Amino acid sequence: GAVVSQHPSWVICKSGTSVKIECRSLDFQATTMFWYRQFPKQSLMLMATSNEGSKATYEQGVEKDKFLINHASLTLSTLTVTSAHPEDSSFYICSASKVAGGIRWNEQFFGPGTRLTVL
Amino acid sequence: GQQLNQSPQSMFIQEGEDVSMNCTSSSIFNTWLWYKQDPGEGPVLLIALYKAGELTSNGRLTAQFGITRKDSFLNISASIPSDVGIYFCAGQVGNFNKFYFGSGTKLNVKP
Repeated sequence: GAVVSQHPSWVICKSGTSVKIECRSLDFQATTMFWYRQFPKQSLMLMATSNEGSKATYEQGVEKDKFLINHASLTLSTLTVTSAHPEDSSFYICSASKVAGGIRWNEQFFGPGTRLTVL
Repeated sequence: GQQLNQSPQSMFIQEGEDVSMNCTSSSIFNTWLWYKQDPGEGPVLLIALYKAGELTSNGRLTAQFGITRKDSFLNISASIPSDVGIYFCAGQVGNFNKFYFGSGTKLNVKP
């Protein structure tokens, strides 16, 4: 299998506080993890690509100082939403890429998502 | 990011009917994938397509990678109530394995 977990599954915080979301690949090593944001009734928007041991690459329009990403090991990436505001309320989903040796494509396995509500 | 146009936005069908949805883009993709997402959950991969012209089936699902590499379609045959959900296409570009998602097709199946 290829299971990806996220923690917490939901979080409510006050405006101005920071929230950390964890993404773990449970039964495989993920050299690359991705963070997406999904607003209600909308599609998944790629926020950043995270490679183990290196800085994350952010998509245009995503503030890297606001959304801090750390990929410290081959099984864990974290997203910290700093100084959260109500407009940051969203469904945050991570995915992990399981490299299939010798094959160019890398399938992504998605976590169950984290619902963030900022009051 | 890349723009993927997915249609239709939503569908209301009777159980047993066939369904077709598609994605188009002005960009060329290396891989096309189709996902299903249930409310409050992450997307689950249904079918992955790796070569232009490829036609792949997974049970009642069939998907094709367009020859131009700019489009893909997904067909669901003999729909059942558990097919209800939102279906997303996703295109992969470059060597960094980035995925860009379509806007989604919400499928409703009446028993």
